[in-house]
Amino acid sequence: GAVVSQHPSWVICKSGTSVKIECRSLDFQATTMFWYRQFPKQSLMLMATSNEGSKATYEQGVEKDKFLINHASLTLSTLTVTSAHPEDSSFYICSARDLGDLTYNEQFFGPGTRLTVL
Amino acid sequence: GENVEQHPSTLSVQEGDSAVIKCTYSDSASNYFPWYKQELGKRPQLIIDIRSNVGEKKDQRIAVTLNKTAKHFSLHITETQPEDSAVYFCAASIRAAGNKLTFGGGTRVLVKP
Repeated sequence: GAVVSQHPSWVICKSGTSVKIECRSLDFQATTMFWYRQFPKQSLMLMATSNEGSKATYEQGVEKDKFLINHASLTLSTLTVTSAHPEDSSFYICSARDLGDLTYNEQFFGPGTRLTVL
Repeated sequence: GENVEQHPSTLSVQEGDSAVIKCTYSDSASNYFPWYKQELGKRPQLIIDIRSNVGEKKDQRIAVTLNKTAKHFSLHITETQPEDSAVYFCAASIRAAGNKLTFGGGTRVLVKP
């Protein structure tokens, strides 16, 4: 149980185009999902918290107009990188919390999406 | 906001020896401390976690200790094996702050056969 999927697993795009990444909780419901970015040999940095049915909460320094987040259902959150540039190339990872987890602590991570912008 | 420091950044041990990674956190309201193992290009995998009402937790060769007063927690891996080679991350979260995870900088562990 507690499986999170991401699609696509990797994507290569041209500079200036937009890319959408999907994060799905497959066997549980998640009112909250998180989006992280990880550059090579670095740690995971939280970009934003995605809340079902409401606007996402962005961390300081993350441009909300560039990284659009939509959490339309209890099992799906999407991250759209708009007008992507080479500096946006990174490993994007989502995580989700199980609504039914009474401890409400553990986050389940997706497999990540490798974005390369040419 | 929360800040998590992790040491060392790299750790090389001989197979069979123990490995210890230490983390400190800044916000005394943090109440959940997970440890993750990440292999290259893969998702972080939870290997053990501890909550603020517990001082120590063990799972086979892995143990975590928490000192709330000093605001630090440590990961101990005993009888290391080559498959333990990976990057390990500590993290801390505060339930009142939406359980957002703040990660340490990571420790690259190499277990030499």
